[in-house]
Amino acid sequence: DVKVTQSSRYLVKRTGEKVFLECVQDMDHENMFWYRQDPGLGLRLIYFSYDVKMKEKGDIPEGYSVSREKKERFSLILESASTNQTSMYLCASSFIDTTGETQYFGPGTRLLVL
Amino acid sequence: GENVEQHPSTLSVQEGDSAVIKCTYSDSASNYFPWYKQELGKRPQLIIDIRSNVGEKKDQRIAVTLNKTAKHFSLHITETQPEDSAVYFCAALHAGGTSYGKLTFGQGTILTVHP
Repeated sequence: DVKVTQSSRYLVKRTGEKVFLECVQDMDHENMFWYRQDPGLGLRLIYFSYDVKMKEKGDIPEGYSVSREKKERFSLILESASTNQTSMYLCASSFIDTTGETQYFGPGTRLLVL
Repeated sequence: GENVEQHPSTLSVQEGDSAVIKCTYSDSASNYFPWYKQELGKRPQLIIDIRSNVGEKKDQRIAVTLNKTAKHFSLHITETQPEDSAVYFCAALHAGGTSYGKLTFGQGTILTVHP
């Protein structure tokens, strides 16, 4: 049973603070993803990583950075939080499979930036 | 890049009715189309998927159809039940390409099944 966990379910931060969101998966998956979920906009990809120390920009990377020092852990960093980054953040992981693949999601972190 | 459009954004049905959610995609190289269900306060979970070499796939009360020529795919839920109420997301992927498993999601459909 795949487990994807996120460090916090709820976070409240102030504008300008540096924010770390952590994600850990226990299935040795190569791929890991960070999304933000906003009503009416679906799941938008922020960054993804297909290997340790590798990262690729998604559709909305501005204002975010990521770190993947170990295979099981993928961190999302908000260098200077802003109110428009208030959102639900979802982490996911998947394995490489040329026939298609399932992404397994974490429970999400609801971030409020004041 | 890929673009996925999903309709409708909200869908309300009576228990026992059928529900249909439609998605279109833009990248003809996409060959894998999963559907995720997200219940209130929970994480999205895969409920069914279809690959481009198949036109239809069924799993009990849910089915997905794919029209590669028209680049659209649909989720069909029959005999809906209140526990089917959730947000449903479609997605598309070019598996085996250089996308590294990067799914492109639709905007989501809020399905409400009234008892």
